[in-house]
Amino acid sequence: DADVTQTPRNRITKTGKRIMLECSQTKGHDRMYWYRQDPGLGLRLIYYSFDVKDINKGEISDGYSVSRQAQAKFSLSLESAIPNQTALYFCATAPVDTDTQYFGPGTRLTVL
Amino acid sequence: QQQVKQSPQSLIVQKGGISIINCAYENTAFDYFPWYQQFPGKGPALLIAIRPDVSEKKEGRFTISFNKSAKQFSLHIMDSQPGDSATYFCAATSGSARQLTFGSGTQLTVLP
Repeated sequence: DADVTQTPRNRITKTGKRIMLECSQTKGHDRMYWYRQDPGLGLRLIYYSFDVKDINKGEISDGYSVSRQAQAKFSLSLESAIPNQTALYFCATAPVDTDTQYFGPGTRLTVL
Repeated sequence: QQQVKQSPQSLIVQKGGISIINCAYENTAFDYFPWYQQFPGKGPALLIAIRPDVSEKKEGRFTISFNKSAKQFSLHIMDSQPGDSATYFCAATSGSARQLTFGSGTQLTVLP
């Protein structure tokens, strides 16, 4: 969905490096989410935000941090990447009045 | 602990056949049950969803059957087509955060 963009689409990094994944949306949605997808595990929630001043931990927040720079931008950071953070990362947005979440195209992250 | 269990992990059906994917949940606070469809290289997209006050919802060839007492729900794809080949995720939502809890996914292949 072009309304939710993620950069970069692919990234290879080394253990111990800091990395930031960015998400931008033009849908005007207040709610934004970060998930990671692993084979056989589905998608799991890392962090979510309901507005610029509201940040909440999800199921697997350890080792990650986020920043909501504006309504349209929600960034995910790995302060010191480790190999088991190798995964597909998805950003999603949602309006406040429905339960439908709209996903970006994903970022494939490999930590060597 | 996986709160939404999905089966089978993979499914192969012939064109024109019926595809059935099953999910079971444990948390009785869940109040919204969507199915997401994901094509390779893309983010998940909402396919169909149901709330627990109804037992069935149909949209075209896609039907959700919901059994509240058994805490189970399933996706039926009638007249399956090769274009339906994708990964399907069931999910469930509860609480004010409206965060999605996903099943592990089913990779569906429809043979021509």
